[in-house]
Amino acid sequence: SYELTQPPSVSVSPGQTARITCSGDVLANRYVYWHQQKPGQGPVLVVYKDRERPSGIPQRFSGSKSGTTVTLTISGVQAEDEAGYYCQSTDSSGTYPLFGGGTKLTVL
Amino acid sequence: QLVESGGVMIQTGGSLRLSCAASGFTFDDYAMHWVRQAPGKGLEWVSLITWDGGHTFYADSVKGRFTISRDNSRNSLYLQMNSLRAEDTAFYYCAKGTLPYYYIDVWGRGTPVSVSS
Repeated sequence: SYELTQPPSVSVSPGQTARITCSGDVLANRYVYWHQQKPGQGPVLVVYKDRERPSGIPQRFSGSKSGTTVTLTISGVQAEDEAGYYCQSTDSSGTYPLFGGGTKLTVL
Repeated sequence: QLVESGGVMIQTGGSLRLSCAASGFTFDDYAMHWVRQAPGKGLEWVSLITWDGGHTFYADSVKGRFTISRDNSRNSLYLQMNSLRAEDTAFYYCAKGTLPYYYIDVWGRGTPVSVSS
């Protein structure tokens, strides 16, 4: 079982908004980093510190937080956004990384 | 910026050493991680080493069998894997830690390890 909970799958049509959640008690006082992984590739960071976007990541990727749930929002989804998305934080003692189970985003 | 190597097909009980060559950042400023992904599964953190190699941490699933190390003079990270099991079969990714060290912001492309009897 995972201490960070994500929905296994999310499906949206092109141009719509996709929202992927990550929940866990530890998130009350820890950041979440979001990683995108396309088939056959290594992951890529798309959001850090809950809501910050690394350089080179499209503006349609954004993050937000409410209590112990963090949400990755992809506005105006494109076919190229179809991928696995993993939230990452840390264990309750702040010692090592912890990943959510991952969410497969399907663009219909 | 991170390039892994050393992944092979190996028999159960065998040993293997993975390497990761880093470039494009000041290697000895950051902690480094190994993360793996079994076929069709999610990401699993394996191990981390602090910037100076002074502290290492391991997932329970590999503790006592794997050893992480680094050579800052060579901008390189290593993972010595002993007593390999079928469940160690996975893609192994080298990843750069942030400040604080337990977040990850840069990944390699991974190297495949297949363990079979």
